[in-house]
Amino acid sequence: GAVVSQHPSRVICKSGTSVKIECRSLDFQATTMFWYRQFPKQSLMLMATSNEGSKATYEQGVEKDKFLINHASLTLSTLTVTSAHPEDSSFYICSVLDSGARAAQYFGPGTRLLVL
Amino acid sequence: GQNIDQPTEMTATEGAIVQINCTYQTSGFNGLFWYQQHAGEAPTFLSYNVLDGLEEKGRFSSFLSRSKGYSYLLLKELQMKDSASYLCAATGGGNKLTFGTGTQLKVEL
Repeated sequence: GAVVSQHPSRVICKSGTSVKIECRSLDFQATTMFWYRQFPKQSLMLMATSNEGSKATYEQGVEKDKFLINHASLTLSTLTVTSAHPEDSSFYICSVLDSGARAAQYFGPGTRLLVL
Repeated sequence: GQNIDQPTEMTATEGAIVQINCTYQTSGFNGLFWYQQHAGEAPTFLSYNVLDGLEEKGRFSSFLSRSKGYSYLLLKELQMKDSASYLCAATGGGNKLTFGTGTQLKVEL
C-alpha cells in the first residue's frame, strides 16, 4: 500500500491560534486524500475530501472556513485549523485513496492536536 | 444514510480464534474494509471484500455477505500483539469510507 506521512505528529497551541497539518503521499500520486478526526474512544469521522487542484468537499457539519484544506500537488494536502479552540483538540488523520479496483485508503500516522 | 454496527469490545485467550462481526447499511456499496488500530496510532489496512465469500490472508480472514449486509473478521492463533481496536468500514459514493465505532479486542494469557 501507499506510504503516507503527517507532520507534525503532535502539536500544542494556544486558543485562537492557527495550526497547519501536512499530509504527504511518499510513494504514490494521490489525486484524492481524505481528512478524518477521531475523538477518544470514538471512531474516525470523515471531515472532508481533498481533491488535487480543486476545492475540497466538506462533510455536513464541518465548517469549511475553520478547517482550510489545500491540495496543491499530487503528494501534499494540508489542513489548517483556524482560530483553534479547546474543543478542536483531537487526533487528525489523513488518508490517501488508491483509485484502483478496490479503492483502498492508506492512512498517515496521525497528528494529535491539543488546544489550551 | 450509512450505518455500521459492531460490538464495542471482546476478550479472547492467546492462541484461540475470535470472530468480530459487523453489519452495515450503506448506499452505493462498493466494498467492505477491516482495519486494525492500536491506541494512539492510525489504522492499518487488514482486508477488503467486495464479493460474497471468504478472503484469507495468513492468520486473518474476512467474510462478506452482501445480501445480508454482514461481514466478519476472523483472527486465528491469537497473539498478545493482536490486542487492538478493529474497525469495520464500508465504502459508499465517492469512495468515502464510513467507519463503525470499532471493536476493542483484548487478548489475555
